[in-house]
Order: sequence, then C-alpha cells, then structure tokens
Amino acid sequence: EAGVVQSPRYKIIEKKQPVAFWCNPISGHNTLYWYRQNLGQGPELLIRYENEEAVDDSQLPKDRFSAERLKGVDSTLKIQPAELGDSAVYLCASSLEGELSTEAFFGQGTRLTVV
Amino acid sequence: AQRVTQPEKLLSVFKGAPVELKCNYSYSGSPELFWYVQYSRQRLQLLLRHISRESIKGFTADLNKGETSFHLKKPFAQEEDSAMYYCALSGNTGFQKLVFGTGTRLLVSP
Repeated sequence: EAGVVQSPRYKIIEKKQPVAFWCNPISGHNTLYWYRQNLGQGPELLIRYENEEAVDDSQLPKDRFSAERLKGVDSTLKIQPAELGDSAVYLCASSLEGELSTEAFFGQGTRLTVV
Repeated sequence: AQRVTQPEKLLSVFKGAPVELKCNYSYSGSPELFWYVQYSRQRLQLLLRHISRESIKGFTADLNKGETSFHLKKPFAQEEDSAMYYCALSGNTGFQKLVFGTGTRLLVSP
C-alpha cells in the first residue's frame, strides 16, 4: 500500500499562472482533506470531502481556488491565478470515517513556490 | 469553534531528559485529541490519540477536560524523537474536521 499519493512533489510557477495538484487517497477511504501548510505553521484545512461531496469548504478562497473529487476517489486542487502568498505546502489526507476513527493519513505534500 | 494552541515553537532538551509538549484546546463539545509527528523528510503521521490510551514510542498523553489540555510526555527523550509535533482536535459527532495547532519542534541533543 503506497498510502496517500500526491503529485507533483514540487512546483515553481510565476504569479498569475494556474497550477493544479493531484491526490490519490488510500483505497476505500471515503473522506479526503486538502490542507495548506505555511512555513512555521500547522496544517490549515482548505476543503473536506465525504465521498464526492464537499462538506466543508469554508476555508477555501473560492475566488481563485477550486477543487473536485469526481467519483469520490482522486481529487484535484487548482489555483487560478496563483499569487505570491499561495506559496506553501499543500497536503492531502484521507481517512475512513467510523465510530472512533478520524485518523487521517497524509501524503508527502506538494511544495508550491510562486515567484 | 475549534482551536488548538501549542505555546512552544521549540523545545530543546538533552538525551535522557523528560519531555513535555504542551497542548491546549478550545471546543464546545466533546473532543477527540491527537498528536501527529513529522520526522525530517517524512510525511505527517499519527503518533497517538487520547481514545486509545496507549503509549507509543514511550510517549503518553492524557486528556484533561478541566484544564482543556492534552500534553504529550515522555520520561526519557531520545535523539530519534527530534521532530515536529502537532496537536490536533476533532469533534466526535458525525463527520468532523481535524484542526491542528502550530506545532512544536522537539530537538533532542546528545
């Protein structure tokens, strides 16, 4: 089991350009999270999916960020256009919701640098 | 609202010394608390959760609802414990998001 897989690992783009990140969660995990982690900070939730439904996107800057999880498996997070302040590590995580289980398994993250 | 506070950005100790990483939380309901760890060049991973009441790698954490704390402790630190530690909180009703603190870097020196 490869765990949560994210790509790319690193991305450098110029401001105003679009960028997309991809996440493949652990097989069978119905909950998928996108987090953003700024330097020196903890992960901050951007959006959470239960299957294909976005159940919490209150922290997603909807003017430039979008996400989708077609078929309730893979997910993509897009930024268009990117700004300098978007430089961060974007983490994807998945979990299998149950009575006591909200353990989230994280991917390696995508480090985005906007120049 | 859910909030997690880790007051220390850096905790530096010598090998064999006791360690306590502080975590306080704010949540109106009954929370689930976790400690996640990130070793150098590795992904964020779960260390332990209060529900399990287990000791992982010598670490323990007790949920104190009166003080709204979930401090992480280890009696004798090892060099391999050096890492970033994040306290996290989730509500236990329905599907709840996981909220993280800002993290504490533990540095264990020989």
